[in-house]
Amino acid sequence: QVQLQESGPGLVKPSETLSLTCTVSGGSISSYYWTWIRQSPGKGLEWIGYIHYSGSTNYNPSLKSRVTISVDTSNNQFSLKMSSLTAADTAVYYCARHPPGSPRFDPWGQGTLVTVSS
Amino acid sequence: ETVMTQSPATLSVSPGERATLSCRAAQSVSSNLAWYQQKPGQAPRLLIYSASTRATGIPARFGGSGSGTDFTLTISSLQSEDFAVYYCQQFNNWPYTFGQGTKLEIK
Repeated sequence: QVQLQESGPGLVKPSETLSLTCTVSGGSISSYYWTWIRQSPGKGLEWIGYIHYSGSTNYNPSLKSRVTISVDTSNNQFSLKMSSLTAADTAVYYCARHPPGSPRFDPWGQGTLVTVSS
Repeated sequence: ETVMTQSPATLSVSPGERATLSCRAAQSVSSNLAWYQQKPGQAPRLLIYSASTRATGIPARFGGSGSGTDFTLTISSLQSEDFAVYYCQQFNNWPYTFGQGTKLEIK
């Protein structure tokens, strides 16, 4: 079955840019939307945005100015870049699959903790 | 954005009993709602989507109902592995939003 795995640095300095990658295995990245979600104690679960395998994107307006999601179909990966980080961006970041036209995220990656600190 | 409010925040139920969790949307989300289960240190797991469709591999004791603004997740006979945090999420309005969660604990 399809599995997702996040990778990237666990510690990022304030004002820097976070880069995370989600690798999809056991299935093709084609024909789906792929999404990023984060979870922090203060804000709970927060949807960041998604990308279609064709490259079209949709972002949460609250983060849109700082976020870019991209896809690499040749490597079955998609990525998140978030700029101008602050301590409020400290969270567990998850990637997940979002079937077109279906209200669900499934499956999810295991998540990766990102701490923003100097 | 569409605020999702879950109640209660914590629910204490004995194994074998029935649990009823609520999720209310500040505006209609039609049937575009999902429920997830999360255990400590794990990612959320999809239980229910389209308000009432069980995801693959989810036991029949999990049931979802509702449409518009009021939704319910029912667990008919609680097993030990069901004690966790449950979240609802709406997909009808941008941006997608989650409830704050209901912690289901052993009584």
